[in-house]
Amino acid sequence: AQSVAQPEDQVNVAEGNPLTVKCTYSVSGNPYLFWYVQYPNRGLQFLLKYITGDNLVKGSYGFEAEFNKSQTSFHLKKPSALVSDSALYFCAVRDSFDRGSTLGRLYFGRGTQLTVWP
Amino acid sequence: GAVVSQHPSRVICKSGTSVKIECRSLDFQATTMFWYRQFPKQSLMLMATSNEGSKATYEQGVEKDKFLINHASLTLSTLTVTSAHPEDSSFYICSASDGLAGGLVNEQFFGPGTRLTVL
Repeated sequence: AQSVAQPEDQVNVAEGNPLTVKCTYSVSGNPYLFWYVQYPNRGLQFLLKYITGDNLVKGSYGFEAEFNKSQTSFHLKKPSALVSDSALYFCAVRDSFDRGSTLGRLYFGRGTQLTVWP
Repeated sequence: GAVVSQHPSRVICKSGTSVKIECRSLDFQATTMFWYRQFPKQSLMLMATSNEGSKATYEQGVEKDKFLINHASLTLSTLTVTSAHPEDSSFYICSASDGLAGGLVNEQFFGPGTRLTVL
């Protein structure tokens, strides 16, 4: 079965410090991994994705994520946090084994609320 | 990047009425659209997947007669909440992909969401 775990409901960090939002996944085939960010009362904005190739993926707004196959993880990172990064972050995965009606389906984690204080 | 719009952004209705929410892909053709429901401080729950010109595929536990989905064109999908009740109050989000059945590598582009409140 496919699943995504974001073990932390909340991450708090001071502005200027590095941040990490954790994500682990479980799929039957190969994972296609995504990070999205959601601001209050808004839809989700795409940050970055891992499909294949370099394990370190760089995305929007200075975020990056590292795919670790042995640990089945895809943690989101940023070297220096900004107050404006405060938002709800979702990790999602697609399973290469999905077919038919489930092809392309995204499986979401429950989200991690990031708060960056000044 | 690709833009997906939703209308209305917020709707308040009386119990028993029906509400239609529109989802449009503005600058690309959306072969597949997804409808999600999100409760406060919770993740997105996939309700259904719709491919243009065919019937929607509903997730287990989602009443297809209550949540009517129409994907009549490559740029428009609608979700109609029929005979709405207070428990249907939620944040509804659509997403669209330009790949067949969403594909595997295409990211989904999300609409801004619709806040439904049923009194």
